Amino acid sequence: QQPVQSPQAVILREGEDAVINCSSSKALYSVHWYRQKHGEAPVFLMILLKGGEQKGHEKISASFNEKKQQSSLYLTASQLSYSGTYFCGTGSGGYQKVTFGTGTKLQVIP
Amino acid sequence: EAQVTQNPRYLITVTGKKLTVTCSQNMNHEYMSWYRQDPGLGLRQIYYSMNVEVTDKGDVPEGYKVSRKEKRNFPLILESPSPNQTSLYFCASSFGGTGYGYTFGSGTRLTVV
Repeated sequence: QQPVQSPQAVILREGEDAVINCSSSKALYSVHWYRQKHGEAPVFLMILLKGGEQKGHEKISASFNEKKQQSSLYLTASQLSYSGTYFCGTGSGGYQKVTFGTGTKLQVIP
Repeated sequence: EAQVTQNPRYLITVTGKKLTVTCSQNMNHEYMSWYRQDPGLGLRQIYYSMNVEVTDKGDVPEGYKVSRKEKRNFPLILESPSPNQTSLYFCASSFGGTGYGYTFGSGTRLTVV
């Protein structure tokens, strides 16, 4: 079953912050975050593992609440280059498949 | 350069004509997977492979076949394509399973008429 992402779309002005949420009905071992720009392939941002710490990547960071089976992606002081569709992917461990959400379309405007 | 290479990038075909989309990675990754992307549905997994000769179904395997005879290659085969298989297809690879991030290929846009 696909994880649920929210919001489905968001428009920001440069410099504003955003939070994208991802929740699953299954127990999770890992949560992946990817960004896809229009007409391009998804690009890996970060992965959070069960028992691991909050991750950060420049001004983009994420958290993973194992008990609630939820993850959040935080974008601070957004830049025009942050525009794109963000996908979370969830895994239950081992070689089991990663299941992706339907995506959150983020648009940053000047 | 570490990459996943898919071919072709664009393909228009007719219903029932067998086709193969190739995928090759140069990172010695064990795990490879195929996804299709449709508007509003996100990325849905078709098949995945944990190593040579080991494959398993994803969420939407009907109408597709795969094989993994070599570690670097993971072709996607549509033996009798139908219009509902019109989609954007991505191949992805990783070191192994859900604990590692995926590297995606550039995608193949398939249209079946």
